[in-house]
Amino acid sequence: AQTVTQSQPEMSVQEAETVTLSCTYDTSENNYYLFWYKQPPSRQMILVIRQEAYKQQNATENRFSVNFQKAAKSFSLKISDSQLGDTAMYFCAFTRNYQLIWGAGTKLIIKP
Amino acid sequence: NAGVMQNPRHLVRRRGQEARLRCSPMKGHSHVYWYRQLPEEGLKFMVYLQKENIIDESGMPKERFSAEFPKEGPSILRIQQVVRGDSAAYFCASSPPGTREPQHFGDGTRLSIL
Repeated sequence: AQTVTQSQPEMSVQEAETVTLSCTYDTSENNYYLFWYKQPPSRQMILVIRQEAYKQQNATENRFSVNFQKAAKSFSLKISDSQLGDTAMYFCAFTRNYQLIWGAGTKLIIKP
Repeated sequence: NAGVMQNPRHLVRRRGQEARLRCSPMKGHSHVYWYRQLPEEGLKFMVYLQKENIIDESGMPKERFSAEFPKEGPSILRIQQVVRGDSAAYFCASSPPGTREPQHFGDGTRLSIL
């Protein structure tokens, strides 16, 4: 079965701190894409960052970066200098052909 | 360049009524995907369509649900004889043909069944 596990249902940090959200996945494919999506209280689904599995270099997007460990099937998201606007649900997902397989999400709360 | 457009944003139906959800893909995108998000869960794939073709509907419930993407106009997700369990957020995504690029999502339709 192809699954995504986000082991932290909820996390809370102080503004300006760094936080890491964990994600592990299971797939038998060799080529795929991995994503982190953010869902704020407005309920939109916003792409945060993507990683191509055949690229060893970890993706970075401003304050957001990933730690991609292909052999371990791990894909964690690090948010540096967290801001109040980062408060949201964060979902990890990967592609299976044209489908996205999603984790259950981590609720991240940034405290002032 | 407009993003994926979904309407309505919120839809309220009584049990037994029909719900029609609309999705217009991004310009130049010919692939449309529908996902459902139940409360406190991640998204679940429902159906993948190209213009006038259903490519994969393996995630669709066998009864009451149907989807189409006509040659002209938006993609429609139709739910007949709605029940309380259909209450969810329904997201549409689109992508250009022949790519594995990130799927761009619309803002979703929140369906509430009274």
